[in-house]
Amino acid sequence: QSVLTQPPSVSGAPGQRVTISCTGSSSNIGAGYDVHWYQQFPGTAPKLLIYNDNNRPSGVPDRFSGSKSGTSASLVITGLQPEDAADYYCQSYDSTLSAFFGGGTTLTVL
Amino acid sequence: QVQLLESGPRLVKPSETLSLTCTVSSYSLTIGFHWGWIRQPPGKGLEWIGSIYHSGSTYYNPSLKSRVKISMDTSKNQFSLQVLSVTAADTAVYYCARADGSVNFDYWGQGTLVSVSS
Repeated sequence: QSVLTQPPSVSGAPGQRVTISCTGSSSNIGAGYDVHWYQQFPGTAPKLLIYNDNNRPSGVPDRFSGSKSGTSASLVITGLQPEDAADYYCQSYDSTLSAFFGGGTTLTVL
Repeated sequence: QVQLLESGPRLVKPSETLSLTCTVSSYSLTIGFHWGWIRQPPGKGLEWIGSIYHSGSTYYNPSLKSRVKISMDTSKNQFSLQVLSVTAADTAVYYCARADGSVNFDYWGQGTLVSVSS
């Protein structure tokens, strides 16, 4: 049982907008701790996609965006492309600097 | 460009100790950042194991704390993981990674699959 809850799967057609939610609690996301998002393709290491709630590392397309409100965060992908099909993980931490991940969401591009 | 590379035995027997080393290139461990271990059982999600700060301070996942130790060798620019008394449930791809003060893991190793089996 993950500390952060994500939907197991989401899907969308090319060009559409999809949202992946990440629900935490008052001791992590709700306490203001940053949320980060990772993209992972089969057989490869996760890649940082969004950091500190809504910032993109260099090289990440602006189709990817993040937001946070209350005890939840969201990853939004606009203009969905076939190459976006991957697993996505949210991650946060707490006052002890313990990190924890969501269970992961598999994005299928129809 | 910071690079991390995991190394160590790929097969460990049940009840024995799993030991992995992460060699970091193009960045000194002593300058800053947190250095962590994350694992992923086959077909499952990511699990943070623990991290070590550049000062040597360590912090662990509470669910693994009793069996895990992370250490650093600054002379070799490496940090290491030990998991004691392993079982089949410890079979996973083990990643080492760098994290900043907001605990986002910005650089990752390629990962290494460690299997626990007799």
